[in-house]
Amino acid sequence: NAGVMQNPRHLVRRRGQEARLRCSPMKGHSHVYWYRQLPEEGLKFMVYLQKENIIDESGMPKERFSAEFPKEGPSILRIQQVVRGDSAAYFCASSLSINQPQHFGDGTRLSIL
Amino acid sequence: TQLLKQSPQFLSIQEGENLTVYCNSSSVFSSLQWYRQEPGEGPVLLVTVVTGGEVKKLKRLTFQFGDARKDSSLHITAAQPGDTGLYLCAGRQGGSEKLVFGKGTKLTVNP
Repeated sequence: NAGVMQNPRHLVRRRGQEARLRCSPMKGHSHVYWYRQLPEEGLKFMVYLQKENIIDESGMPKERFSAEFPKEGPSILRIQQVVRGDSAAYFCASSLSINQPQHFGDGTRLSIL
Repeated sequence: TQLLKQSPQFLSIQEGENLTVYCNSSSVFSSLQWYRQEPGEGPVLLVTVVTGGEVKKLKRLTFQFGDARKDSSLHITAAQPGDTGLYLCAGRQGGSEKLVFGKGTKLTVNP
């Protein structure tokens, strides 16, 4: 019974590079959420996707950030031209449907050199 | 401004003591979740409360949702070192699926 799987667990990038974070939801879950956790801050919502559709991206920066959840394969959070301020833990959660509990993965810790 | 305020921010107690942590807001939530997070891991769901005044028990943990659905509390009886962790509350508003999180209460239970 695999939970939400995120990879890589740790990612180091230099300023200006691209970062790709992957999330495989729990089996049977078609709703995926991305959150960012900065040191000493709570988790902040970024984006909510349902297979092939972005439902709510109100928490995602307008530039450099994008997310997708294709019909086949994991959800991807992509950060282009990373800057130091992008250093954070990025968590993915999934749920069975709307109004259902969200279950979290163990996150990807992104460090920007 | 933090929509959900958790208190206390830090709590250090001895094994066997009881404790209560709080999650407060001036806004109404359609549901509220409590999670526990350990260093290097993701939040693990403990409970979801939906109805105003609802009380749920999970072994030594008791969760309460305020009558007006603006606040919640978590009470732990006879705390154990295994209860150590960051306790997060998170709420949903209206028809939105996104969770709004508090900053958490960092609990340490000393043997």
